[in-house]
Amino acid sequence: KAGVTQTPRYLIKTRGQQVTLSCSPISGHRSVSWYQQTPGQGLQFLFEYFSETQRNKGNFPGRFSGRQFSNSRSEMNVSTLELGDSALYLCASSLWSPDTQYFGPGTRLTVL
Amino acid sequence: AQTVTQSQPEMSVQEAETVTLSCTYDTSESDYYLFWYKQPPSRQMILVIRQEAYKQQNATENRFSVNFQKAAKSFSLKISDSQLGDAAMYFCAYRSGGGADGLTFGKGTHLIIQP
Repeated sequence: KAGVTQTPRYLIKTRGQQVTLSCSPISGHRSVSWYQQTPGQGLQFLFEYFSETQRNKGNFPGRFSGRQFSNSRSEMNVSTLELGDSALYLCASSLWSPDTQYFGPGTRLTVL
Repeated sequence: AQTVTQSQPEMSVQEAETVTLSCTYDTSESDYYLFWYKQPPSRQMILVIRQEAYKQQNATENRFSVNFQKAAKSFSLKISDSQLGDAAMYFCAYRSGGGADGLTFGKGTHLIIQP
């Protein structure tokens, strides 16, 4: 089985722009979670989607949003980018929620 | 809120030796899961081992095993016969059995393997 895939792998944006990241889960997995990893804050949970519904949300501002499609693929969007949004964004999928999560390779976002 | 603490920012071990990474957590829940993930320089987060809180038996995966002490809220990872490929950041993670809040991670331990 193919693993979790994330696109793009690298992204450079400027402050004030918006960005959309994509995640395709392992085939058959219905839950997708997103995490932000920074040197200062470590790994932080953003949100989780299960069967197209947001199941959980971490402590992030409303500029961070996401959605899940009927094929379980998920996107996350960050609007009005700030320098502090520079991070590695990791997507993880699981069969159901809660269950063991398997991670993708991440998207490295740099905000200039 | 649950917290996960990894008290060792960095550990070093000789190839073929055994090393133990520490993790403690704080929770008021009785139903939860604990995980160890490995993140090599490629930044790909790889599952190493998983433990269900209701299981008293410690999980084992080949050279990796855990020492789960539920009363002490301790979840250490033992790596036997260390190999150069084991060099990575290791993260301990907690998840509520109810599934709220996703995974809560510790700050990580950087494991160095000396040839």
